[in-house]
Parts: sequence; C-alpha cells; structure tokens
Amino acid sequence: EAGVVQSPRYKIIEKKQPVAFWCNPISGHNTLYWYLQNLGQGPELLIRYENEEAVDDSQLPKDRFSAERLKGVDSTLKIQPAELGDSAVYLCASSFVQTGELFFGEGSRLTVL
Amino acid sequence: AQTVTQSQPEMSVQEAETVTLSCTYDTSESDYYLFWYKQPPSRQMILVIRQEAYKQQNATENRFSVNFQKAAKSFSLKISDSQLGDAAMYFCAYLRYNNNDMRFGAGTRLTVKP
Repeated sequence: EAGVVQSPRYKIIEKKQPVAFWCNPISGHNTLYWYLQNLGQGPELLIRYENEEAVDDSQLPKDRFSAERLKGVDSTLKIQPAELGDSAVYLCASSFVQTGELFFGEGSRLTVL
Repeated sequence: AQTVTQSQPEMSVQEAETVTLSCTYDTSESDYYLFWYKQPPSRQMILVIRQEAYKQQNATENRFSVNFQKAAKSFSLKISDSQLGDAAMYFCAYLRYNNNDMRFGAGTRLTVKP
C-alpha cells in the first residue's frame, strides 16, 4: 500500500514568490494534517482536515498561507508571497479517525532566498 | 492546552548499550495516547511505539520500551542494545482520546557511537 506522498521534495524560490505543496494521503484516511517543521524542532500544526472540512487552522498564517482539500482526498498548501522565515520543512500526515497513529510523508523542504 | 516537553536536546549512546529518552506532558484529560516517533536524517517520520493512557502495562516493541508514569505525567523511551540505525531525532507526542490534534515535543537527537 502506498504511503503518504508529497511533492515537491525540495523547492528553492526567491522571496515574494508563490509556492505550492501537494499531498496525497493514504487511501481511506479521512484526517489530513499539514505541519511546519523548523530545523531541529518538532512539527507544529498548521491545519487539520476531517474529510473536506478544515477543523483546526488556528495556527495557519492566513495572510499568506492557504490550503485546500478538494473531495476529501489530496490537499494543496500554498504560500503567497513567501518570506525568508518560511524556509522550513512542510510535512503532510494522514490518519484514520480514532486509531491515533499518524503516517507521515517525506516532507517538502522549502528554501526562500 | 496540552504541552509536551523533551528536556534532552541531544543524547548519545555506545552501540549495544541502553539509552533512555525523557518526555513529560501536561494535560487535564484522563484518556489519551502517547507516542514516540523516529525521524532519521532526511527521511520520513515513523512510529516507534504507542501507549494508551488507560493501560497500566508499559508498551514494548522489540528493543524499544516505555516507562509510563501517569500520575507524574512522564513517558520515557528506553532503547536497548542500541544499533547504528537507531541514530535519529526522536519525538514524543500526545493525542487526546477521540481527538485528532497531535502535539509534539521539540525532539531529542540521538547519536549512536560505534
């Protein structure tokens, strides 16, 4: 069974440019997460979806970040415009409700110059 | 709000020896899960071990075991017979029962010396 797939793995952009990350969760997993992970730190939740609904986006900087999960399957996280401080790894994870375990993708590493 | 604290930014262990990673958490809930995740360099995060708070018995997975002290809100990970492949960042995580809001600690970087 395929795991959580993320793309691109690496992205280098100039500041003020837009960038988008894509995530395809494990089939049947109704919960999808986007986490931000700075170097040497733990993941911090950006947004969590239950099916198509964003149930927790309190930590998402809505002035520049947006996310969508159409049809309750794959998801896209967008940053526009990117800032230097956005350089980090963006992790996507999915789970089946109430099992507890999160399955992670390999992450998308963003470098903003 | 639930918080997870890992007080050891870095740890090292000699190959074949035993090491214990510490984790404490803060919650007012009685039903929850605790996890240890492993993140090797430039690789994806994977589950090492999980513990349900209602279970008194400590979870064990091969060389990995936990010491769960519910009253003290402590959840340490013991790695026995350490191997070079155990070198990674280890994250402690908390999940409230019937809620999908997973909270992570800052992580402990484990180095295994040959």
